[in-house]
Amino acid sequence: NAGVTQTPKFQVLKTGQSMTLQCAQDMNHEYMSWYRQDPGMGLRLIHYSVGAGITDQGEVPNGYNVSRSTTEDFPLRLLSAAPSQTSVYFCASSSTGIYGYTFGSGTRLTVV
Amino acid sequence: AQSVTQPDIHITVSEGASLELRCNYSYGATPYLFWYVQSPGQGLQLLLKYFSGDTLVQGIKGFEAEFKRSQSSFNLRKPSVHWSDAAEYFCAVGPASNTGKLIFGQGTTLQVKP
Repeated sequence: NAGVTQTPKFQVLKTGQSMTLQCAQDMNHEYMSWYRQDPGMGLRLIHYSVGAGITDQGEVPNGYNVSRSTTEDFPLRLLSAAPSQTSVYFCASSSTGIYGYTFGSGTRLTVV
Repeated sequence: AQSVTQPDIHITVSEGASLELRCNYSYGATPYLFWYVQSPGQGLQLLLKYFSGDTLVQGIKGFEAEFKRSQSSFNLRKPSVHWSDAAEYFCAVGPASNTGKLIFGQGTTLQVKP
């Protein structure tokens, strides 16, 4: 049972480039979320999903897009990377949303 | 607005000493409360959770937390800290309805002295 898998683990982008952070879970969880972690700010919710085809914005959605075409996958897209998006990104999933989330190991993104 | 405050950014305790990490929340409805731990370079692991019932909840690794509605607090405790407990700890609050959203505090970094 792999849990929540995030790829890549590390990425360096130039300002203005686009990329997709991948997140996959094999636990048949309905709820999935994307967080960014910055020093002194904890984890901030970017986007979340309560099932395939359903997504909503979190606290800091600007500059990020998501879609949820399958239960397993929840990719996060950066359309035009900015240095302010340098962060560690975590994907998480849960069966119900209220019983705690399982987190991936994170993607460390640097935008130069 | 919903929020979680962890007043202590950094705490240092000696190995074998007791530990209490503070968490205060602001929430309009009955909250679901969580504590997570993050070891360096790792993702977050759930330590314990509170939904209802007994206000003292037990978690993994010998941790416990007490929900105090009157104080809007959910403090994490451990009677005797081990060097392996050094990590960052996050308190989080979730909604009573099933939207799946969790709001995290800023985190408390625990350092353990030998």
